[in-house]
Amino acid sequence: DADVTQTPRNRITKTGKRIMLECSQTKGHDRMYWYRQDPGLGLRLIYYSFDVKDINKGEISDGYSVSRQAQAKFSLSLESAIPNQTALYFCATSDPDRESEAFFGQGTRLTVV
Amino acid sequence: GDSVTQMEGPVTLSEEAFLTINCTYTATGYPSLFWYVQYPGEGLQLLLKATKADDKGSNKGFEATYRKETTSFHLEKGSVQVSDSAVYFCALEDSSYKLIFGSGTRLLVRP
Repeated sequence: DADVTQTPRNRITKTGKRIMLECSQTKGHDRMYWYRQDPGLGLRLIYYSFDVKDINKGEISDGYSVSRQAQAKFSLSLESAIPNQTALYFCATSDPDRESEAFFGQGTRLTVV
Repeated sequence: GDSVTQMEGPVTLSEEAFLTINCTYTATGYPSLFWYVQYPGEGLQLLLKATKADDKGSNKGFEATYRKETTSFHLEKGSVQVSDSAVYFCALEDSSYKLIFGSGTRLLVRP
């Protein structure tokens, strides 16, 4: 089983719909992240969390929200999806005891039509 | 804020050619630096890292040296293989423990 699991792997949704992307990890890490990948733009940070009670906005948080349900679970929601949120989304964890090496899920490809 | 700039791709090489992918950064202090690799259809995985000036990270024949004088962390490999075809991301850890990524460089190695 993967250490960082994202569901769904692919999703097509309509403009205006609410959608949730889920992430769970078995690494035991406190730090979790959501990134968005767009061609030519690399990965941009949406939200991050350093423990269950700690949620922080990244550089592109508008239009997104998150929930840290437990140490192992970190969900990303699009409250009202729009076409320019079509992208590849990655969840990641990191380990401060290993110079913050990050471990990534396989990604969720989201298409908003 | 902190940032990472890496050369645009795609980079196309023949097998056994020498590879350099340039990466420079802007940051306060001396952040840890990373190279991540993304194979088709997969998430990113750590390739190598360096945590202080003059450190050399290495893995799978790839190397990168932390140069604070030039604020650079260029990725090199002496002889690339077809299996090295992937997207390579340079990254740093900022003072708030967030990873900041460059835009990625696609490498295509032809047999």
